[in-house]
Amino acid sequence: NAGVTQTPKFQVLKTGQSMTLQCAQDMNHEYMSWYRQDPGMGLRLIHYSVGAGITDQGEVPNGYNVSRSTTEDFPLRLLSAAPSQTSVYFCASNRDRGYTGELFFGEGSRLTVL
Amino acid sequence: KQEVTQIPAALSVPEGENLVLNCSFTDSAIYNLQWFRQDPGKGLTSLLLIQSSQREQTSGRLNASLDKSSGRSTLYIAASQPGDSATYLCAVKHNAGNMLTFGGGTRLMVKP
Repeated sequence: NAGVTQTPKFQVLKTGQSMTLQCAQDMNHEYMSWYRQDPGMGLRLIHYSVGAGITDQGEVPNGYNVSRSTTEDFPLRLLSAAPSQTSVYFCASNRDRGYTGELFFGEGSRLTVL
Repeated sequence: KQEVTQIPAALSVPEGENLVLNCSFTDSAIYNLQWFRQDPGKGLTSLLLIQSSQREQTSGRLNASLDKSSGRSTLYIAASQPGDSATYLCAVKHNAGNMLTFGGGTRLMVKP
């Protein structure tokens, strides 16, 4: 059982470049989310989705776009990368929209923006 | 705005000790509280989930308690082992909305 899979694990970008972090889950979970983890700031929610076709902003959404065309996939797009987006990004999912149970995390994607 | 605090930020103990990690939150209107473990360079692994109506949850050597009225949760680790070395995070889901608020974590080192 793969759980939550994130790709790539590591990425280096130049300022202004764009890229997409991929996230897929095979547990038929309704709720999916993206967090970033920074030293001294902890984990902060970027965007989340409670089902296919539904997305919403979290605590720090600026500079990021998301879409949810299928239940399984929830990609995170950086349209014009900035050094402030250097971070470790985690995708997480939960079985239901109301997020009543455990949150399952991927292994993370470490992004460096030069 | 919900704030979650974990003290201490780091802890070093000899193998075999029983230890307690603390998590406090400012808004008691929570839906549930979850404890996670994070190994270096890895994602978060869920350890225990306590619903707001529960007082505690147990899994093996781990026991988590919740006192909603005082805004506190503790994670008790019995007979600690070097393999328990990791960062432990707590996270609170508020009654309203679909967001979790995380604490800053406690970095635990268990020395052989």
